[in-house]
Amino acid sequence: KQEVTQIPAALSVPEGENLVLNCSFTDSAIYNLQWFRQDPGKGLTSLLLIQSSQREQTSGRLNASLDKSSGRSTLYIAASQPGDSATYLCAVRGGSEKLVFGKGTKLTVNP
Amino acid sequence: DVKVTQSSRYLVKRTGEKVFLECVQDMDHENMFWYRQDPGLGLRLIYFSYDVKMKEKGDIPEGYSVSREKKERFSLILESASTNQTSMYLCASSLGDRDNSPLHFGNGTRLTVT
Repeated sequence: KQEVTQIPAALSVPEGENLVLNCSFTDSAIYNLQWFRQDPGKGLTSLLLIQSSQREQTSGRLNASLDKSSGRSTLYIAASQPGDSATYLCAVRGGSEKLVFGKGTKLTVNP
Repeated sequence: DVKVTQSSRYLVKRTGEKVFLECVQDMDHENMFWYRQDPGLGLRLIYFSYDVKMKEKGDIPEGYSVSREKKERFSLILESASTNQTSMYLCASSLGDRDNSPLHFGNGTRLTVT
């Protein structure tokens, strides 16, 4: 059974810092991996999707990498801003339509 | 942009009531999902549907049922609401089978059962 872990559960950084969020999964037979952002009391917003054949995806200040063999993905946020404060979740999709989610990393960027 | 709309942001219901949570997507997506999200437990899949009138149980289907009579609408039904069903409910949709399109979520319905 696929399990997805995100460490740390919470992270607090000063504005302007570059940071990395981690996601690990137990079964490397994945179809894709997605990173989401969730603001308090809201739904999830898709940030990046990495297909199993890809190594990374970039969108603006965000860069996500995927290493299937080691069961790891990272989300790199450059030049963090207070508006980046949110909970970030990763999710992996195996052979079915279902995604398995991690519990998220709550990021606080302090002005 | 894909829009997934959940009919209510907040609901308060009494124990034993039958509760309907509605979700509509506007992008002709094949797949639709219902999750619940609880502190410390993360997102858990209740039911999903990959076509009209088709449904599959997720990880925690007990106490819930679903209906998908039209492609754009996926309803979650709590047959007899209980206090342990107090939670944030999230609906999501995605394009279709074997695609690599992302999952799109609604804004959630926070349900309180008293």
